[in-house]
Amino acid sequence: DTGVSQDPRHKITKRGQNVTFRCDPISEHNRLYWYRQTLGQGPEFLTYFQNEAQLEKSRLLSDRFSAERPKGSFSTLEIQRTEQGDSAMYLCASSLPGLAGRYGTYEQYFGPGTRLTVT
Amino acid sequence: QKEVEQNSGPLSVPEGAIASLNCTYSDRGSQSFFWYRQYSGKSPELIMSIYSNGDKEDGRFTAQLNKASQYVSLLIRDSQPSDSATYLCAVNLPPMNTGFQKLVFGTGTRLLVSP
Repeated sequence: DTGVSQDPRHKITKRGQNVTFRCDPISEHNRLYWYRQTLGQGPEFLTYFQNEAQLEKSRLLSDRFSAERPKGSFSTLEIQRTEQGDSAMYLCASSLPGLAGRYGTYEQYFGPGTRLTVT
Repeated sequence: QKEVEQNSGPLSVPEGAIASLNCTYSDRGSQSFFWYRQYSGKSPELIMSIYSNGDKEDGRFTAQLNKASQYVSLLIRDSQPSDSATYLCAVNLPPMNTGFQKLVFGTGTRLLVSP
């Protein structure tokens, strides 16, 4: 199976610690997205990469959050000085670019997510 | 006004019935619309995408789009207990200056299919 993979699947950390999550997209997908989802809500966009370039960041992405995609393949999301409010499911998705001449065909496929619990 | 709105449910239907899930969106410039299924504790799974007005069928699923009314729906025929999940509607907002189209999700509708 060559779907999106994420590691770890679960992370429990104490407030104030740093955590890092990894995402491996579908191999031919050059676009990668990070989302955060809390209970009862839909996923909320955090950031977007096209190849290695981080092109968009949400206002939700405070300066404690940083994301990288150094070689345009896997990506990491780091949260520094974690807070209890950071507890959520962190989802990674990837997509192909839209077909030439076709508007907005960005089907995004999600990985299994990393569930973060900050105690 | 929320960008994407869904009734949170739960929507309860008996096995074999048609489940109808609805979604409205606020930005008239949106062009791409998606339905995701999410089982409890799992990640969203893409089940349908639709870009043009009208109906799009895939197996037991039919997506319907009405851009004039800013309305998207998902019909599930012959509902099965295994269809019990939360269904998320997602809409691409019009592109930003960078060309990026943000995908915005509703809060989801919980569907319960009883045997």
